[in-house]
Amino acid sequence: ILNVEQSPQSLHVQEGDSTNFTCSFPSSNFYALHWYRWETAKSPEALFVMTLNGDEKKKGRISATLNTKEGYSYLYIKGSQPEDSATYLCADTTSGSRLTFGEGTQLTVNP
Amino acid sequence: NAGVTQTPKFQVLKTGQSMTLQCAQDMNHEYMSWYRQDPGMGLRLIHYSVGAGITDQGEVPNGYNVSRSTTEDFPLRLLSAAPSQTSVYFCASHSLGPPADEQFFGPGTRLTVL
Repeated sequence: ILNVEQSPQSLHVQEGDSTNFTCSFPSSNFYALHWYRWETAKSPEALFVMTLNGDEKKKGRISATLNTKEGYSYLYIKGSQPEDSATYLCADTTSGSRLTFGEGTQLTVNP
Repeated sequence: NAGVTQTPKFQVLKTGQSMTLQCAQDMNHEYMSWYRQDPGMGLRLIHYSVGAGITDQGEVPNGYNVSRSTTEDFPLRLLSAAPSQTSVYFCASHSLGPPADEQFFGPGTRLTVL
């Protein structure tokens, strides 16, 4: 993996469904992995910053896991709600400074 | 704290005009950056800075200049605006690690070049 890649590109789920998406990143020279939530017409907001292999973080119904050896992170949303509709971005850093973003997963939760 | 502020929020330019997008942060962050957001292309890094007096190019630097004379301010200059620069511009900042810190984004500037 040379760049940060996210899948799927978009996702439509029904209210109450649980969902997850993937971020793949170069595993060499890893420093940190960031997840952001980006609502339409707003600016991205940080969800998690993860640094340790095997790390798992949780904020309400949203959680994320990190595997630095194989270069991937999963973001999970339990019991999706319409207000969870947003684009979810991940970004990695190799030195603690410059972030490289994926193109995001656009989530739509239908009521 | 005001966080990251950007001005203006909206701007319309004619081709060939120049302008400066302002960005300021009051969190004493060393790292500041400018991104542009275009449909289907995510966030692309234009320029970044790891401290006052230090700037470097990102993925798409052509047509833009930056300077970092203070820790707080990181203006982005469009030298001669082109329609291809129509975009939403985000400024962001974070502290340099360790530990790794979250990046804070400004509210964005929506620029249209006619």
